Amino acid sequence: EDQVTQSPEALRLQEGESSSLNCSYTVSGLRGLFWYRQDPGKGPEFLFTLYSAGEEKEKERLKATLTKKESFLHITAPKPEDSATYLCAVQLSGGSNYKLTFGKGTLLTVNP
Amino acid sequence: DTGVSQDPRHKITKRGQNVTFRCDPISEHNRLYWYRQTLGQGPEFLTYFQNEAQLEKSRLLSDRFSAERPKGSFSTLEIQRTEQGDSAMYLCASSLARAGVGSGANVLTFGAGSRLTVL
Repeated sequence: EDQVTQSPEALRLQEGESSSLNCSYTVSGLRGLFWYRQDPGKGPEFLFTLYSAGEEKEKERLKATLTKKESFLHITAPKPEDSATYLCAVQLSGGSNYKLTFGKGTLLTVNP
Repeated sequence: DTGVSQDPRHKITKRGQNVTFRCDPISEHNRLYWYRQTLGQGPEFLTYFQNEAQLEKSRLLSDRFSAERPKGSFSTLEIQRTEQGDSAMYLCASSLARAGVGSGANVLTFGAGSRLTVL
């Protein structure tokens, strides 16, 4: 069965304290791996898509990387406004290539 | 285009009542999805439309749930005889189907969600 596991479940950082979130996946065929940000009471907001091992993408303080088994979301010098739940999702190759399967997310809190 | 719109944003109902949610996708998007999200969990896939055709329904979607997308534009999700276990955030998303990997294919854009509370 296809699985997406995110760790840690929750992470509390001080402002400026860099860290990484992990997303490990077990799927039969990966078409793409997606990172979303979700603020309380809102829908997920798209951040990145990664398609092949070794690929990296950056946006402001965030950098996403991909290997054959996992993805990392690196947060450099975070600010309180980076506090949110970060969701990882996979899109499979083949017949189900239209939908996303999500992990449970990592709740990030950045204290000033 | 203001993105994916969902209505209502919040719905409180009594057990046994019927509720209906509406989703207006991004106008040029031909794919529309419904997901359900409960507290502390990631969104779970419910159903998917390509234009007006409903192409997949999750096992999570019991026969009390029905979704439509007439004319391939807006969509409705109806829950009949609601149960307390139906309490969740119902998320709608849309995407534009593109061929090929790495082409930005199928990036889902989500709406703000409709939160259902069943008393």
